[in-house]
Amino acid sequence: EVQLVQSGAEVKKPGESLKISCQASGYRFTNYWIAWVRQMPGKGLEWMGSIYPDDSDTRYSPAFQGQVSITVDKSKNTAYLQWSSLKASDTAFYYCATLATVAAQEIIWFFDFWGRGTLVTVSS
Amino acid sequence: EIVMTQSPATLSVSPGERATLSCRASQSVGINLAWYQQKPGQAPRLLIYGASTRATGIPDRFSGSGSGTDFTLTISSLQSEDFAVYHCLQCRKWPWTFGQGTKVEIK
Repeated sequence: EVQLVQSGAEVKKPGESLKISCQASGYRFTNYWIAWVRQMPGKGLEWMGSIYPDDSDTRYSPAFQGQVSITVDKSKNTAYLQWSSLKASDTAFYYCATLATVAAQEIIWFFDFWGRGTLVTVSS
Repeated sequence: EIVMTQSPATLSVSPGERATLSCRASQSVGINLAWYQQKPGQAPRLLIYGASTRATGIPDRFSGSGSGTDFTLTISSLQSEDFAVYHCLQCRKWPWTFGQGTKVEIK
């Protein structure tokens, strides 16, 4: 059974750094992209970026490029999302999700399994 | 960036009735369109991928259609557990983008 277990809720002050995690099990971790998705309070979903654990190939949404860092530790089957200097506007739920592909008349991508989310609260 | 626009923002439906949700892309995404259901306090759940393929375990009252720029999610007979927010997602072109969501509420 595929499981993505995310780290617990965090309360931080503006300017602090943070690294949250997503530990995967139940499948071959290195063979599937993992994505991070933000959901601000009462808002929709935003794709932040994705990483391919086998070679750490990483793609960021322009909205998040330079704002966060996505990494993996293959030995721990874990993906990370990191900030060097948090802002109040980073307050949100952050979800990790695995990416699946299906070959049809084109290559179809979608997020299939999701973690339960990590709530990050940034407040002075 | 491809902009995904969902309508309506809120849909009021009585249990047992049909619900039709729309998702429109600012440029063609082929069939690289997925639908998700999200209940309060929960992670999104995959319903449909490839515009029309139901994910494993999804009841057949959920159906997806469309290609190119216009897509529809239909719930044929709403059950109490279907009242939630529904999101569409395009994965045709980076950056991947979601619609803003449609809330299906009890009428």
